Amino acid sequence: ETGVTQTPRHLVMGMTNKKSLKCEQHLGHNAMYWYKQSAKKPLELMFVYSLEERVENNSVPSRFSPECPNSSHLFLHLHTLQPEDSALYLCASSQRGSDEQYFGPGTRLTVT
Amino acid sequence: QKEVEQDPGPLSVPEGAIVSLNCTYSNSAFQYFMWYRQYSRKGPELLMYTYSSGNKEDGRFTAQVDKSSKYISLFIRDSQPSDSATYLCALSAEVGNNRLAFGKGNQVVVIP
Repeated sequence: ETGVTQTPRHLVMGMTNKKSLKCEQHLGHNAMYWYKQSAKKPLELMFVYSLEERVENNSVPSRFSPECPNSSHLFLHLHTLQPEDSALYLCASSQRGSDEQYFGPGTRLTVT
Repeated sequence: QKEVEQDPGPLSVPEGAIVSLNCTYSNSAFQYFMWYRQYSRKGPELLMYTYSSGNKEDGRFTAQVDKSSKYISLFIRDSQPSDSATYLCALSAEVGNNRLAFGKGNQVVVIP
């Protein structure tokens, strides 16, 4: 595997379900990000981890819970989501101190 | 007023034409400017990075920054069908602060 990988690529879940998104980076980076991408809207930064410590929580509802167990892995735990949470969730990584972020292919989430 | 304005398009051009994309921004603190390309069902990939007013060329791509007008542009010469993608501008006020402000993205279709 190279670059940034995300699983699953597609996810359909009910509002009462609990699921997790996984991201893994193979680039030796030490900062990781979660973004939300909705149609006709700019990318929204959700969370930033730098050296495995959360440094940014962009007013994200508590039904989204991130976890960064090490510098290569990032999770986004989901519970009791709303239909408006349906979107493409992108993971990215970078070297700390660099603007060059490398993105994964995203997880297309549909909340029914 | 939104931080970054970008017309989402779509923009359709014939093969070989010059594609012109632009973003405007309101915050004069932005000093670093990026263009990302996002193919369908993929994550964004960094295309161009610049931090000074003026032009930067990379093959068929030219990034232009006018800080006085708070206006950035991306030009694609001799456009190819493989250039069909969504192009997102991203701006940063401080290198490596992990916080990029994205435009909505501009969908480009190059017709063979």
